[in-house]
Amino acid sequence: EAQVTQNPRYLITVTGKKLTVTCSQNMNHEYMSWYRQDPGLGLRQIYYSMNVEVTDKGDVPEGYKVSRKEKRNFPLILESPSPNQTSLYFCASSLIGSYNSPLHFGNGTRLTVT
Amino acid sequence: AQTVTQSQPEMSVQEAETVTLSCTYDTSESDYYLFWYKQPPSRQMILVIRQEAYKQQNATENRFSVNFQKAAKSFSLKISDSQLGDAAMYFCAYRWNYGGSQGNLIFGKGTKLSVKP
Repeated sequence: EAQVTQNPRYLITVTGKKLTVTCSQNMNHEYMSWYRQDPGLGLRQIYYSMNVEVTDKGDVPEGYKVSRKEKRNFPLILESPSPNQTSLYFCASSLIGSYNSPLHFGNGTRLTVT
Repeated sequence: AQTVTQSQPEMSVQEAETVTLSCTYDTSESDYYLFWYKQPPSRQMILVIRQEAYKQQNATENRFSVNFQKAAKSFSLKISDSQLGDAAMYFCAYRWNYGGSQGNLIFGKGTKLSVKP
C-alpha cells in the first residue's frame, strides 16, 4: 500500500531532551516536507527536500533539523525541544516531475514538550 | 509572497443541505494548482478536490465542487447534500507550478465545518 509513515503518533517529552520523528514513504517520491499545525494558524512548513541530500528551510525552521540521506526517509530532529514546539506535526511527500501531483500526508505526530 | 486566506474560521450546515467554504489567494504567478484538503477528527489529511489554474472548467468530485474565479483569485468549495461525515476542518491550499515541477504547498488557516443532524 502506498503510504507515508510517521512515528511515533504521540510523544511527550521534557524541555531539552533531543528527539527524532521519523518519516518514510514507499512511493519513490522526490519531494518531502514537514509541517506543523497549530490552532488558528493552519499548517506551516518547517523544512522541505527536493531530493536526496537537498533540503531547504520553510517558513518556521527555527529549532528544527532535517536530513535526507535516502530518498524514502526524511526525519525531523529537535535537538533541544522547547514548550513552544508543542504541536501536531505532519510529514508529506509527492512527485516533482509529475504534473499536478498532490501531497500525500502521514497520519501526524502529536508532540507535547513540558 | 503567495498567501492563502480562508475568512470563515467556522461554518455550520444542516444535514442534506449545501454549504460553500470560501478561499482567496494572492499570487503573481499564472500557472499553479489549488487544492482543498479535509481533516476529520482522526487528523488525517485527505485530498478532497484539486484545480489546475489553466483549466477554466470547475473541478467536481461527487458531492464536492469548486467555483474557481482566476481573475478574482477565488477558489470556493461547495459541498452538496451534506452528510455527518463531512464534519471536519477544511484547508484550502495553493501550489505554484514551474517548468513541470511544483513549489511548496501553502495552506490557509482552515475552516471548521459542523454538520447538524
